[in-house]
Formats: sequence, C-alpha cells, structure tokens
Amino acid sequence: NAGVMQNPRHLVRRRGQEARLRCSPMKGHSHVYWYRQLPEEGLKFMVYLQKENIIDESGMPKERFSAEFPKEGPSILRIQQVVRGDSAAYFCASSPGPADSYYGYTFGSGTRLTVV
Amino acid sequence: DAKTTQPTSMDCAEGRAANLPCNHSTISGNEYVYWYRQIHSQGPQYIIHGLKNNETNEMASLIITEDRKSSTLILPHATLRDTAVYYCIVRVNYGGSQGNLIFGKGTKLSVKP
Repeated sequence: NAGVMQNPRHLVRRRGQEARLRCSPMKGHSHVYWYRQLPEEGLKFMVYLQKENIIDESGMPKERFSAEFPKEGPSILRIQQVVRGDSAAYFCASSPGPADSYYGYTFGSGTRLTVV
Repeated sequence: DAKTTQPTSMDCAEGRAANLPCNHSTISGNEYVYWYRQIHSQGPQYIIHGLKNNETNEMASLIITEDRKSSTLILPHATLRDTAVYYCIVRVNYGGSQGNLIFGKGTKLSVKP
C-alpha cells in the first residue's frame, strides 16, 4: 500500500520557466492538500482539492500558481514563470474524506524546487 | 496564525521520556489537538490526536488537561530517530477549509546519546 507519492523529488528550474509538481494520493483518498515550506520556516497551507474541484485556495499566491486534481491521474501544482522566491519544499497530503477523524493526513516526501 | 504556543527547542536523553508541552488557551469546544512531527527533510508525520480524553498509541501518549487549555505529548522512550520538529495543532474535525492544518513553528526536539 504505497503512501502519498510526489514527483519529482528534486526539480531545478531557471527563472521564467514553468514548474509542474505531481502528487498521487494514497489509494482510496480523494482529498488532496498542498503545503509549501520555505527554507528555515514552517509549513504554509496553499490549496485543498477534491477530484475535479478546488475547495479552498486561500493560501495560493494570486498569480502564477494553479492547482488541479483531475478525475484521472495525479494532482498537479503548477508554477508559471518561476522566480527565486519560489524555491522551497512543496508537500502534498491526502485524506480519505473531508474529515480525517482517525488517522490524520498522510504527507508525501515532498518536491524540492530550486530556481536558479 | 497558529493557535498554539510551544517551546522553541528541547533536549532529551536517549532512552528517557520526552515530554513536549503545548498551550492552546483559546481552543474551542469542537477543536481537536493534533500532533505531527517532521524529521529533517521529510514530510510531516501524524503522531496522535485527541479531544478531551488522554490518548495512547504505539508512538506516543497525549495528555490533555481537564480545561483543555494545554496538553503534553509524551514519547516514553526517546531514541535518536525521534529527533525532529514537533508540531501541536488545533483544528476542527470536519471538512471544508476549517479543517486545514495550520502549522506553527513547533518544538525542535534533540535526542542526545
């Protein structure tokens, strides 16, 4: 039973390029959450998605960032025209439903984005 | 902003119990106390959660005061692999944006040989 799978583990992009981060939730989980962790800082909530729906994107920067969770396939966090300040670890978590009463969220190992 | 207050750092000797405190004086009646930890460079790991009763699982014990304004996470026999940042989080236990985890700065626990 694989956990939350994120790829790539490490991603290097030049300023102005696009970054695509993928998250496959645990089997049976239909709720996905994205968090960002800047160097030496805590995790910050970005967006919460269900299949084909964005439930809460209150933590997403207003420009250049978008997220989707299609009916088939992984959730994608997309960053357009990356800048140095986007360099961070991006973590994805999943849960079986909206109320993860018994187990908490399961987090992936993260994608470390470096913008050069 | 996080609704909890934790010490910035703590040390613990290997094999001894690690007691990590957390203050959550503004906790609401429908909010649970969750604990996660993050070992260096890894994703956060769920440890335990509770509402008002003490809880225990294979990883840790959670002691919540009667007034629910504070709690303590207990690692009964700390090992070097328990060195991590421990986050205490309060949240409602139902869906929607109110269920999102809000991480504070946590307590950096260093287990020493």
